[in-house]
Amino acid sequence: GQNIDQPTEMTATEGAIVQINCTYQTSGFNGLFWYQQHAGEAPTFLSYNVLDGLEEKGRFSSFLSRSKGYSYLLLKELQMKDSASYLCAVMDSNYQLIWGAGTKLIIKP
Amino acid sequence: GAVVSQHPSWVICKSGTSVKIECRSLDFQATTMFWYRQFPKQSLMLMATSNEGSKATYEQGVEKDKFLINHASLTLSTLTVTSAHPEDSSFYICSARDPGGGSFQETQYFGPGTRLLVL
Repeated sequence: GQNIDQPTEMTATEGAIVQINCTYQTSGFNGLFWYQQHAGEAPTFLSYNVLDGLEEKGRFSSFLSRSKGYSYLLLKELQMKDSASYLCAVMDSNYQLIWGAGTKLIIKP
Repeated sequence: GAVVSQHPSWVICKSGTSVKIECRSLDFQATTMFWYRQFPKQSLMLMATSNEGSKATYEQGVEKDKFLINHASLTLSTLTVTSAHPEDSSFYICSARDPGGGSFQETQYFGPGTRLLVL
């Protein structure tokens, strides 16, 4: 079956760095997405990786290793507004998104 | 980036009534739109894939006759919850794929969501 695993919850301190991991097993692979979702709001797009390596975009970076079925989202210089759920999603061979359950990130002052 | 709007953002209705939710892509033409449902503290659940000019493809367990989807134009898809019941209360989110989005052409852009409460 298809499976996306990510931690349920993480806590970090304002100004610090946090890495949210995502492992996946899917039928085919057409890219991995990270979305941010604040409570009560719809997800917003953060990053898309289809090739191995690190994609950096400001304070956020996303890494992909297709051979390991592994990705991480790295958040630097954490701000209180980064408190949200972070969703990992993989596009399978049918171009359907398979969603992880999300990681709730709690930022403490 | 691409913008997707949803209307209404909030709706409260009585049990047995029907509710229509609109999803529009504002600055691109979306041949494919997706409808999701999200219960509190759970991830997104894909309900159906809506293709312009053809019938929607529903996920297993989603009742076609209860959740009517119409994708009549390249910028508009509608979801109608027919004869709504309290268990249909949820957060309904649409997304659209921007085929002209370059390297992000497979990216889905989400509408702001519609919170439905059925009394």
